[in-house]
Amino acid sequence: EVQLVESGGGLVQPGGSLRLSCAASGFAFSSYNMNWVRQAPGKGLEWVSHISTSSSNIHYADSVKGRFTISRDNAKNLLYLEMNSLRDEDTAVYYCARVAFDCWGQGALVTVSS
Amino acid sequence: EIVLTQSPATLSLSPGERATLSCRASQSVSSSLAWYQQKPGQAPRLLIYDASNRATGIPARFSGSGSGTDFTLTISSLEPEDFAVYYCQQRSSWPLTFGGGTKVEIK
Repeated sequence: EVQLVESGGGLVQPGGSLRLSCAASGFAFSSYNMNWVRQAPGKGLEWVSHISTSSSNIHYADSVKGRFTISRDNAKNLLYLEMNSLRDEDTAVYYCARVAFDCWGQGALVTVSS
Repeated sequence: EIVLTQSPATLSLSPGERATLSCRASQSVSSSLAWYQQKPGQAPRLLIYDASNRATGIPARFSGSGSGTDFTLTISSLEPEDFAVYYCQQRSSWPLTFGGGTKVEIK
């Protein structure tokens, strides 16, 4: 079964940092580009970042550029999102998704609040 | 950045009725448009990719059409499980963007 499972969410103060992980199983992770998408409470979907199979091609939304870093470990079938200088407006459920967005994780809630 | 505008914001219909959802792009995205369904507390589910191709396991009552800047998602006859929020997404250029969503609610 194709599966993505996020972890690492939680409560963090403004200006703080957090690292999300996404564990992939049931498919050849190293052969797929991957994405992060977020959804603020009661709001719509916002694409956050993309990484290619070899990590050579990376894109970010302007809202997170310079603060968030996407990475992957193909040997461990893991996708990461390192989030620094967090702001209130970064509060959201963060989803990892396969390149075609045909498979999504269940989401990890990140709450930025003092 | 390509802006996607979905209309209407809310669609109130009864089971068995036909639903027509619109997505308009601020510039051409060719056929690089996808549609998703999201229910409360769940991750989005891919319905349509490349404007008109149904994703694996998606019922035939869901269809997509359009190209360039104007796209439509049609649900031919609403089932009880179809009442949800629907989003369009363009995959033509970076940054990828989503529309604001259309909520299909029970009338």
